[in-house]
Amino acid sequence: ETGVTQSPTHLIKTRGQQVTLRCSSQSGHNTVSWYQQALGQGPQFIFQYYREEENGRGNFPPRFSGLQFPNYSSELNVNALELDDSALYLCASSLREGTYEQYFGPGTRLTVT
Amino acid sequence: DQQVKQNSPSLSVQEGRISILNCDYTNSMFDYFLWYKKYPAEGPTFLISISSIKDKNEDGRVTVFLNKSAKHLSLHIVPSQPGDSAVYFCAAKEYGNKLVFGAGTILRVKS
Repeated sequence: ETGVTQSPTHLIKTRGQQVTLRCSSQSGHNTVSWYQQALGQGPQFIFQYYREEENGRGNFPPRFSGLQFPNYSSELNVNALELDDSALYLCASSLREGTYEQYFGPGTRLTVT
Repeated sequence: DQQVKQNSPSLSVQEGRISILNCDYTNSMFDYFLWYKKYPAEGPTFLISISSIKDKNEDGRVTVFLNKSAKHLSLHIVPSQPGDSAVYFCAAKEYGNKLVFGAGTILRVKS
């Protein structure tokens, strides 16, 4: 069984640029959630996708957007990067039905300069 | 407005003793709670969960207790081992599958 994978591992961008982060779900999982983890804090929910539709969104501006593909992999796009967007971005996959455990990937460390 | 709070930033325990990590929440609509463990350079790893209709769940060395009236959770690890040293996050399930996390507690188990 393949776990959740994310790419790239690290990324450095300049303020104002755009970035795309990628996630492959754990085999058999149909739901993907994205979280932002700033230094010294717990992960904060950005949004969730189920069957290619957004299924809940946290308190993040519209410049944070996402996609889920038919194979349940996902992308997180952030436009007009700001310095405060520097964080660890975590993807988690789960099953929509049944248990509520989410399984996390290793994350992408984004630095905005 | 922190709905899930882990008031102890760190905890140090001797190997073999019990580690107790605490978590408080404010939203009575939370119906499921989870604990995750995180090592450096890795994503959080699911540890144990508990439904709001239960007050205890046990899995090997790890037990989670839920006190709904006090809106309080605790995670017990016994006996503690050096490999348990990590950051522990308490999380609560909100609508859908959205998880609300606490800020984490760093556990150090000394050998």
